Amino acid sequence: LAKTTQPISMDSYEGQEVNITCSHNNIATNDYITWYQQFPSQGPRFIIQGYKTKVTNEVASLFIPADRKSSTLSLPRVSLSDTAVYYCLVGPPPNAGNNRKLIWGLGTSLAVNP
Amino acid sequence: EPEVTQTPSHQVTQMGQEVILRCVPISNHLYFYWYRQILGQKVEFLVSFYNNEISEKSEIFDDQFSVERPDGSNFTLKIRSTKLEDSAMYFCASRDHFGTANYGYTFGSGTRLTVV
Repeated sequence: LAKTTQPISMDSYEGQEVNITCSHNNIATNDYITWYQQFPSQGPRFIIQGYKTKVTNEVASLFIPADRKSSTLSLPRVSLSDTAVYYCLVGPPPNAGNNRKLIWGLGTSLAVNP
Repeated sequence: EPEVTQTPSHQVTQMGQEVILRCVPISNHLYFYWYRQILGQKVEFLVSFYNNEISEKSEIFDDQFSVERPDGSNFTLKIRSTKLEDSAMYFCASRDHFGTANYGYTFGSGTRLTVV
């Protein structure tokens, strides 16, 4: 499973756009990129997943360049409640029948200030 | 939105005692997992379970650990003789074959296990 590298921490202010970049130089051809959010003492929560180009949902956008060796999670107009740890994971596609585990890094601790 | 439910939310136990952590995965999910997170550290994979058997387990998941799906709804993690270093948050997760509408795993809120 491909290793990922993210910044350890980031600071932002309410109302700003936050972009968190993840490097995954050894991503495999079939791998998807998935981002999770975790609040203290809670389980990780799925945010967004993509394979290439751009994916957008109601909470975030995911930008993946053509070489797929990195990805950027974009959070528009963050609020205090977006303070959390954000994890980038690389793994098998969503319809993979095999039972693959998730390999977690330390994630990016985002602090949103008033 | 469907949820993975874990009980209890917090358990304190004495070293050497047996504990059972309980999880109710999402009803139509087929793959089940236990992960743990020691305070301030990474989320670590423990075990995956499919078709009523273990698919994969980590080095952490030694003979003191076992999993069961006794009645088709509950998914339990048992630690036979707890050690101080078993103190952690334990997360249960599940997913269906096609990854659900949001493509991801669904995690429970966790059980905080404190071994004293």
